[in-house]
Amino acid sequence: SQQGEEDPQALSIQEGENATMNCSYKTSINNLQWYRQNSGRGLVHLILIRSNEREKHSGRLRVTLDTSKKSSSLLITASRAADTASYFCATANSGGGADGLTFGKGTHLIIQP
Amino acid sequence: AAGVIQSPRHLIKEKRETATLKCYPIPRHDTVYWYQQGPGQDPQFLISFYEKMQSDKGSIPDRFSAQQFSDYHSELNMSSLELGDSALYFCASSWQGRNIQYFGAGTRLSVL
Repeated sequence: SQQGEEDPQALSIQEGENATMNCSYKTSINNLQWYRQNSGRGLVHLILIRSNEREKHSGRLRVTLDTSKKSSSLLITASRAADTASYFCATANSGGGADGLTFGKGTHLIIQP
Repeated sequence: AAGVIQSPRHLIKEKRETATLKCYPIPRHDTVYWYQQGPGQDPQFLISFYEKMQSDKGSIPDRFSAQQFSDYHSELNMSSLELGDSALYFCASSWQGRNIQYFGAGTRLSVL
């Protein structure tokens, strides 16, 4: 099956609540990234975590990485309606430079106002 | 700040026709990537170029080809179009193949 499987596939929460999305991957990695995509639009890079990091924060985002379990989680705190989007984790094909990214299936997050 | 520019934004073609998608990377970015995203699917990597040379190859059909020009813009050429080629095609760019990729708004291709 595919690198970077997201869980859950869809998530609906109330504004102000926290949203947690999980991702699993299969091969060894140098880093893992999370991207956001508004419906039918381009992807926007959110955060990158290196394989030697366990946790990283950026504003309301918190990412964890467990290389022993080949999994990562993205936490969005104090969610806002504008956070409604699809979220994808992505890993580079070989961890090299100009390698393509392999995306997971994505979690569609809906924030209810 | 300048972003990745893709043209056209929308394209409608008939089966067996050809299509050319263009991508203009962020200024000073020398690496370009192409992705295909079907309805409700995750983006699938097609091909990438660094300094005008093919760098990585993904699930690009033999009917498709791409190149990067001296000004670093890239074109994706698609021939013998099939209904299944209907998708969003994204271009992304980065500097010196760095990990973070910056995506364009995409070209929506509809094959009728």
